[in-house]
Order: sequence, then structure tokens, then C-alpha cells
Amino acid sequence: ETGVTQTPRHLVMGMTNKKSLKCEQHLGHNAMYWYKQSAKKPLELMFVYSLEERVENNSVPSRFSPECPNSSHLFLHLHTLQPEDSALYLCASSQEAGGPSEQFFGPGTRLTVL
Amino acid sequence: DAKTTQPPSMDCAEGRAANLPCNHSTISGNEYVYWYRQIHSQGPQYIIHGLKNNETNEMASLIITEDRKSSTLILPHATLRDTAVYYCIVSPHSGAGSYQLTFGKGTKLSVIP
Repeated sequence: ETGVTQTPRHLVMGMTNKKSLKCEQHLGHNAMYWYKQSAKKPLELMFVYSLEERVENNSVPSRFSPECPNSSHLFLHLHTLQPEDSALYLCASSQEAGGPSEQFFGPGTRLTVL
Repeated sequence: DAKTTQPPSMDCAEGRAANLPCNHSTISGNEYVYWYRQIHSQGPQYIIHGLKNNETNEMASLIITEDRKSSTLILPHATLRDTAVYYCIVSPHSGAGSYQLTFGKGTKLSVIP
């Protein structure tokens, strides 16, 4: 247990569906992150939040919409996804949004888009 | 692009030390070296980080060369549970990009009974 939980662990959705991924950290951290890990590709940083403000958006398509209502919760809202968006989506948190603060990762949500 | 080079795979006998090399010849003065690992179907796990001095914690030791162009992660007594992909990452201490961990392909370490 890393102190970062993600739900659901597995999700199958059609291209016209709208779904949300949830991440919660119990570590009192100030920064939270979304990463995407596709098959046979390195982890890609998607979004960074520091004290509930988005500080990084790595050219992510608008069909992915993050939300950080407070420093403990992070959501990733999904709509009109494509099959190539199927991947493992990982949430992480760190004390601060900046090095050399270690990041704690959740177990991930395995997303399949049909 | 990742700024590190690692061998794609390594084997290590159970109970022996696992020495995982990493080349980061273009590292800047304000960049730290981080090591993470990812066990199959789990999120990455932080192991250790350092700037220029050698570091040790309960999981591993990190040896950084004097010119900082390479480093070695040492797992002193590898167990089967250490089988994972190990990522070496360089990242700035502060400022732009300091929160961005750029993961490469890593080294797949297989610990063999």
C-alpha cells in the first residue's frame, strides 16, 4: 500500500461513453499527477496539479479532462475516447510539485476502449 | 526523450547483489538521479535518489560516478520479489520540469532462484 488509491481498477467503455477515474491520496501531499502507460511504451506524464491548481498539461487531447477538487482527490473525466486510448492510467502524489520530492504511485486503472 | 541509457534486461541469482547500470552523460548540474521500479501490473515504486554523493537506504544503494555521467543501483541481496523493470531518471532539482519524471524503457531485472 502506497497511500494512493485508484478506482476503478479496471474499466471497459465504448467510444461514446463518459466515465471518470478517481484517485485519492492519504499522505497529506500537495501535488498530484496523472500518467498514461500504453503497451510497450514508457510512462507519459499527462497532468500535474499543485495545491489544486493545474501546473502542467502535456498536450493531452481535450477528451481527457482532469479535475482536482482538493489536495487529496484527483479525477480524470473521459469522453468520446478512441481505442488507442486503451492503457494503464496511473495516479501519483508527492509532497511538493517539484524535485527532489519522490512520487508515490497508485495501482492504476486498466482502461479498455472498445 | 529519456536522458538515460540502460540495458534492456539483466539476470541475477537470488541472494546475490544486483548491480544495475545507468548512463546519463548529458546530466546537468542541477539534475538529480532517481531510481524507480515497476513490478508487473503495479504502479512504479520509488527506490532512491541522489545528486552527487553515494546514497543508501533500506532498499538499495546508489553509486554515482565522480563526473556524474553514470550511476549504479545496487540491490545487495536480490530476492524473487525484486523481479521488476527498473527505471533510471534524471530530473532537475527545481524550476521548470522538476516534477516531470521522464520514464524510459528501463531494465527488466529477472531474479532467478
